[in-house]
Amino acid sequence: ETGVTQSPTHLIKTRGQQVTLRCSSQSGHNTVSWYQQALGQGPQFIFQYYREEENGRGNFPPRFSGLQFPNYSSELNVNALELDDSALYLCASSRYQETQYFGPGTRLLVL
Amino acid sequence: GESVGLHLPTLSVQEGDNSIINCAYSNSASDYFIWYKQESGKGPQFIIDIRSNMDKRQGQRVTVLLNKTVKHLSLQIAATQPGDSAVYFCAELEVSGTYKYIFGTGTRLKVLA
Repeated sequence: ETGVTQSPTHLIKTRGQQVTLRCSSQSGHNTVSWYQQALGQGPQFIFQYYREEENGRGNFPPRFSGLQFPNYSSELNVNALELDDSALYLCASSRYQETQYFGPGTRLLVL
Repeated sequence: GESVGLHLPTLSVQEGDNSIINCAYSNSASDYFIWYKQESGKGPQFIIDIRSNMDKRQGQRVTVLLNKTVKHLSLQIAATQPGDSAVYFCAELEVSGTYKYIFGTGTRLKVLA
């Protein structure tokens, strides 16, 4: 186990709703990255947080937003949910540019 | 954009045999690569990494080979076991202001008893 935890494990929402996913990073790690993994695909980078600031973003619209807290934990928020947002959302923590270690993910289903 | 891809979507191997999973990358400027293993219902698990100043790196039962000339990466698993059954991803580190891993679609390894 990596020490990275995510909550909730599963979630069902309807189109148009908003969702917040949470991640606790491994002890000693100060950087959190979020990925979206659609079924049968590799993880796609959403964004990264370092020292409570967004430190890079992939090709995701502004309705995907995040936060990092002083204890390095992080949240991913998605507004105006769409059916295509159904996926496994993965959080990875690291010591800045070192190896990223992933949590178990949150499975989101949008109906 | 730059991408990391895998040649074979599914690989079936007899238990006890060696497995070789291949990966092609397209960004010649990348200098760090990781192999992850993902079991059903779990997040990707770090297996082994390699930097571009190396051609080969060995771990416990696993070896990663890097051929920068043809931009090819491979993961070798010795004496494949049923517990090795999973999807394997290679990931390429892209550093452009921030750093992020670019993953391919993955190869499913099936170990036959």
